[in-house]
Amino acid sequence: GAGVSQSPRYKVAKRGQDVALRCDPISGHVSLFWYQQALGQGPEFLTYFQNEAQLDKSGLPSDRFFAERPEGSVSTLKIQRTQQEDSAVYLCASSKDRGTGLQYFGPGTRLTVL
Amino acid sequence: GESVGLHLPTLSVQEGDNSIINCAYSNSASDYFIWYKQESGKGPQFIIDIRSNMDKRQGQRVTVLLNKTVKHLSLQIAATQPGDSAVYFCAENNQGGKLIFGQGTELSVKP
Repeated sequence: GAGVSQSPRYKVAKRGQDVALRCDPISGHVSLFWYQQALGQGPEFLTYFQNEAQLDKSGLPSDRFFAERPEGSVSTLKIQRTQQEDSAVYLCASSKDRGTGLQYFGPGTRLTVL
Repeated sequence: GESVGLHLPTLSVQEGDNSIINCAYSNSASDYFIWYKQESGKGPQFIIDIRSNMDKRQGQRVTVLLNKTVKHLSLQIAATQPGDSAVYFCAENNQGGKLIFGQGTELSVKP
């Protein structure tokens, strides 16, 4: 079956631009997570949705980062006024369980801010 | 604070040998652990998981061992193949849902 998909796979932005990253979770998965992965590091948690409810956004690094999942399926991570330190791979994961089960990851979006 | 860390950043093995990748965790209340494999340009891929009520779990060519006394996790890969070359992460699933990853170990398999 189809896994988690993300688009775009690569994004280059000029400093100060806004970007929007999309995640399509596995159909029927209740939980959706966003992670940020810097080069050579493990993924770091950003935010977590259970259906359309954002239950945890403690990992968002600043108020320039915003995530939504309005219909409990597709999610968008938006970064406003991008900075060079935002350059990273943004990973989306979904889980059929309510936050305590196995998470399946998408391929990620590599964001480069010039 | 909570952390999950790996002892070795790189591991080089000969094809056909067994590989062991280690991981330490600090949250004794953690009850679910996952090993992921990540190849260049791809997202983490599930390998094997284990819950805290178990000490050992086996999959195809892989075994995970959990030692709760010393808060240590290991991944054993039998008969390592070139296709096993990747970065391996252990992750701790805290009860709030988010995964806490270690830095990763890069496994290199020499033919």
